[in-house]
Amino acid sequence: DAGVTQSPTHLIKTRGQQVTLRCSPISGHKSVSWYQQVLGQGPQFIFQYYEKEERGRGNFPDRFSARQFPNYSSELNVNALLLGDSALYLCASSLVSRPNTGELFFGEGSRLTVL
Amino acid sequence: EDKVVQSPLSLVVHEGDTVTLNCSYEVTNFRSLLWYKQEKKAPTFLFMLTSSGIEKKSGRLSSILDKKELFSILNITATQTGDSAVYLCAVPNNAGNMLTFGGGTRLMVKP
Repeated sequence: DAGVTQSPTHLIKTRGQQVTLRCSPISGHKSVSWYQQVLGQGPQFIFQYYEKEERGRGNFPDRFSARQFPNYSSELNVNALLLGDSALYLCASSLVSRPNTGELFFGEGSRLTVL
Repeated sequence: EDKVVQSPLSLVVHEGDTVTLNCSYEVTNFRSLLWYKQEKKAPTFLFMLTSSGIEKKSGRLSSILDKKELFSILNITATQTGDSAVYLCAVPNNAGNMLTFGGGTRLMVKP
């Protein structure tokens, strides 16, 4: 069975540009969460979507947005990129809307470098 | 705001050594504490500790939770080079829909 898949795996952008990251959850999983992991730090929560509705939002500026599609895949968009947006963006999926029981499955991430 | 602090930041040991990783937390409403292993990119789940399950063991890895002192430790005995990774500790928020992670402990096991 395929795990959580993310694309692209690596990308380089310049300041001010916009980026879209994509995530396909494990088949049957209806919840998708996005985390940002800056080098040397732990992942930081950005968004959670369940059944196409936003269920949680972390402390990130409005330049960050996301959506979930009818097939439960998800996109994370970041506008007006800053150098500080350089990070590994992790997508995680789960069966339930409250994945507080260790049921989060992470993808390999998208490594974004902003120059 | 929930908070998780891990120590040490990094650790270098030799194969066969035993290591102890620390995680302290502050959370509004404790539900559970989770340990993950991150070797390259994707964190993988190791343990979940709750009020009703304060000790977990799997092979050479074990973890305990001290709810009174608000910390957890992860022990790895007889370390192997394959244990080299970043170990992350996390707690869910009150709504249970997000995890707050610590900064991680980077473990390097030398042959």
